[in-house]
Amino acid sequence: GAVVSQHPSRVICKSGTSVKIECRSLDFQATTMFWYRQFPKQSLMLMATSNEGSKATYEQGVEKDKFLINHASLTLSTLTVTSAHPEDSSFYICSASRSGSAVTGELFFGEGSRLTVL
Amino acid sequence: KNQVEQSPQSLIILEGKNCTLQCNYTVSPFSNLRWYKQDTGRGPVSLTIMTFSENTKSNGRYTATLDADTKQSSLHITASQLSDSASYICVVSAKGNNRLAFGKGNQVVVIP
Repeated sequence: GAVVSQHPSRVICKSGTSVKIECRSLDFQATTMFWYRQFPKQSLMLMATSNEGSKATYEQGVEKDKFLINHASLTLSTLTVTSAHPEDSSFYICSASRSGSAVTGELFFGEGSRLTVL
Repeated sequence: KNQVEQSPQSLIILEGKNCTLQCNYTVSPFSNLRWYKQDTGRGPVSLTIMTFSENTKSNGRYTATLDADTKQSSLHITASQLSDSASYICVVSAKGNNRLAFGKGNQVVVIP
């Protein structure tokens, strides 16, 4: 079964509204989770590293005020796309590993969330 | 230039046939290489993970090889099934940083 769960799987919203995506680790505590964005036929692009109890680390070019990340517990990280615009439409994926590192150990991905902004 | 290049970009194969996907990388120093299967509209699912000392690793009908000297990896799918239709993503990590380099994926379509 799924080790990392993501919700919702699909969301359609109007331009200007905010959308929250949840990522949960189901059978382990994840001090670190990772958020990615994927365009059709493209690589996964790391947006930010979510750290439990502290601020997220954003990749260059990712607006932290646009993509709010909250990692309030060891099993839950949320990504909020604020004031969404059509160009924010994309496939968002989270991941986590038992080791807390993206490099060592197995990395589990959520099922992904398809955001469509009208 | 992407640190991980995959070929072919897309591939159509008949059900029951074998195919081999290629991954070339420039990531250095090398830590490990992973192959993931990503169904359309879904998150990636791990197939194999290999470290420097491993040359081959199997997971059912999937067999991955690694040549760390030439910085090449392949994923061989044996006796393909319709459910093998997916994108296969090669992911390489470097020692010393917590970062992964993702390939764009090999899009495989298995037809009856």
